[in-house]
Amino acid sequence: QQQVKQSPQSLIVQKGGISIINCAYENTAFDYFPWYQQFPGKGPALLIAIRPDVSEKKEGRFTISFNKSAKQFSLHIMDSQPGDSATYFCAASVISSGSARQLTFGSGTQLTVLP
Amino acid sequence: DTEVTQTPKHLVMGMTNKKSLKCEQHMGHRAMYWYKQKAKKPPELMFVYSYEKLSINESVPSRFSPECPNSSLLNLHLHALQPEDSALYLCASSLHFNQPQHFGDGTRLSIL
Repeated sequence: QQQVKQSPQSLIVQKGGISIINCAYENTAFDYFPWYQQFPGKGPALLIAIRPDVSEKKEGRFTISFNKSAKQFSLHIMDSQPGDSATYFCAASVISSGSARQLTFGSGTQLTVLP
Repeated sequence: DTEVTQTPKHLVMGMTNKKSLKCEQHMGHRAMYWYKQKAKKPPELMFVYSYEKLSINESVPSRFSPECPNSSLLNLHLHALQPEDSALYLCASSLHFNQPQHFGDGTRLSIL
């Protein structure tokens, strides 16, 4: 029930196209859904995050869509650029044991944007 | 550049060696985390410190020993590691437990 399922495993998009990565979860206690971007040789960087009381959040070219009833959320990258080529992880968390906000990560999507 | 600094960037050690990984942040964050990441996999949580006290140990083998000397520093002491421990070790911090986590760029560890 702690799992977050992410798809696709890899994605190739032409420059200027829309990249879409999907995640699904089971644990309805999750209350925070961040997306991380990781370049080779670097640590994950927080890209954008959403709470379950909001259906959509947009920051620049990046948009999270959240469907609470379906227990799904997705990342949309508009006007994808070669510099967006990276591995993207969705994640979810819940306050457990009244303390740590532990992140449950999806399996990752390797995005390649062709010039 | 990230605001969570990890040293060294690369480490090669033998199975009988003792070494330490260091993590430092000066953002006033009071929660700090160690993660292990294998190639093409998501990070796996190892330890969580809150206000310099160990809060979570995800059943990590005793050959990994964390230490939090103060609110800005986090160490991971390594001893008698196995080849399967070769991975990227990531440190993260957050203002408090319920705040977003910010990661360092990690230490790439290779066990011979």
